Order: sequence, then C-alpha cells, then structure tokens
Amino acid sequence: NAGVTQTPKFRVLKTGQSMTLLCAQDMNHEYMYWYRQDPGMGLRLIHYSVGEGTTAKGEVPDGYNVSRLKKQNFLLGLESAAPSQTSVYFCASRPTAFQMNTEAFFGQGTRLTVV
Amino acid sequence: RKEVEQDPGPFNVPEGATVAFNCTYSNSASQSFFWYRQDCRKEPKLLMSVYSSGNEDGRFTAQLNRASQYISLLIRDSKLSDSATYLCVVNPPGTGFQKLVFGTGTRLLVSP
Repeated sequence: NAGVTQTPKFRVLKTGQSMTLLCAQDMNHEYMYWYRQDPGMGLRLIHYSVGEGTTAKGEVPDGYNVSRLKKQNFLLGLESAAPSQTSVYFCASRPTAFQMNTEAFFGQGTRLTVV
Repeated sequence: RKEVEQDPGPFNVPEGATVAFNCTYSNSASQSFFWYRQDCRKEPKLLMSVYSSGNEDGRFTAQLNRASQYISLLIRDSKLSDSATYLCVVNPPGTGFQKLVFGTGTRLLVSP
C-alpha cells in the first residue's frame, strides 16, 4: 500500500537548470495536486488535475508546468529553476470532489534547493 | 481577505491541558472542511473531517459554524505527541469544488 510516492525526495539545482518531479499514486484517484510549502506561507497550490489529460492552474503557477499523461502520474516541471523556487513540494491525490469530505492523501515531499 | 485564516501560534500548553484552535474561511458556500496534522518536516495527514453537526474522535472535537464561517478544533487532555502544526483545510466553490485550500497552520507545543 504505497499510496502517494514522490521522486526525488531531495534535490539541489543550480539557477537555470531544469528538472521534473514525479508523483505517482496507486489509489486510482481522479484528482491530483501539486503544492509548495514555504515558512509562514502554508501550502500553496501550484497546479492540479481532475483527470488524465487535464491540468489547471492553481494559486502560484508561474515558472512551473505539469502533465498528467497517465491517471496515476502527475509530473511537475521546472524549466529554468530560480532561487525563489527553493521550497518543499508536496503532491496529493483525492478520489473526486463529488463526494463530500473526501480526504486528500499526500506524498512525503520533495525538498528542493536552488542555488 | 485570505480564503482560510488561522492563528499561527505557537500555542504552548502543559500536558493534560485543553486547547482550542479556530479557523475562519471567506467563502460562505464552501463545502467540505478538514483538520490536518503536520509533523515537522513531514507530509500533512488527515486528523479529522468536520461535519455540520460537529464530530468527536477520542480527545479531539471539531465544530463548524456556518453562520460565522469558522471551524474549530478542541484537544482535551493534551499529550506530548500532540505537538505538531494543525492545518485547517476548506473546499471552496468555484471550479466545481475541485480545490483544497489550506490555512497557514497553527503550531502546538505540549510540554511536560
């Protein structure tokens, strides 16, 4: 019962480098989310997806791109990393919004440092 | 006004104390409400959902006040292991209730 798995768990990037964060869930959930968490800012939504092949912008989408080619995977890309993208990134999945009180399950997080 | 607001704390309480947190939300049509717990450097995990009639899970009680647009979490008989950050989560309308919006969290420190 893996749940939500994020890869990698830690990464250090140089400014201008690119990378992709992978989120995989094995619960057959429709909804997937990418959040970033910074001190004093809480969890802020970057992008989300309500199904395979669909993505939407969240609160802080600039500098990130996403893809949901398979239902179980949600990729977050940084095309040209900036120090302001130093953060902890969390992926989450949720069955659907059409049932009340459906819980979101989180991955263990990716700690990204951009130098 | 932020969609979800919480007092960041920290709340410092002794073991055995009762402590309460409040969280306010801006959109009166919000649908689902949750309290998540986050330990240091870990992912958030669901503590409990919040139902309209209020609900209890052991030492934890959650209440929803739609008229005043706030939810609360009451922890009785605090344990050292309750030390964590408690996140208020709201499911606002717009885009079909697809998003979950998190408060910045309230930090609780329980001391011996």
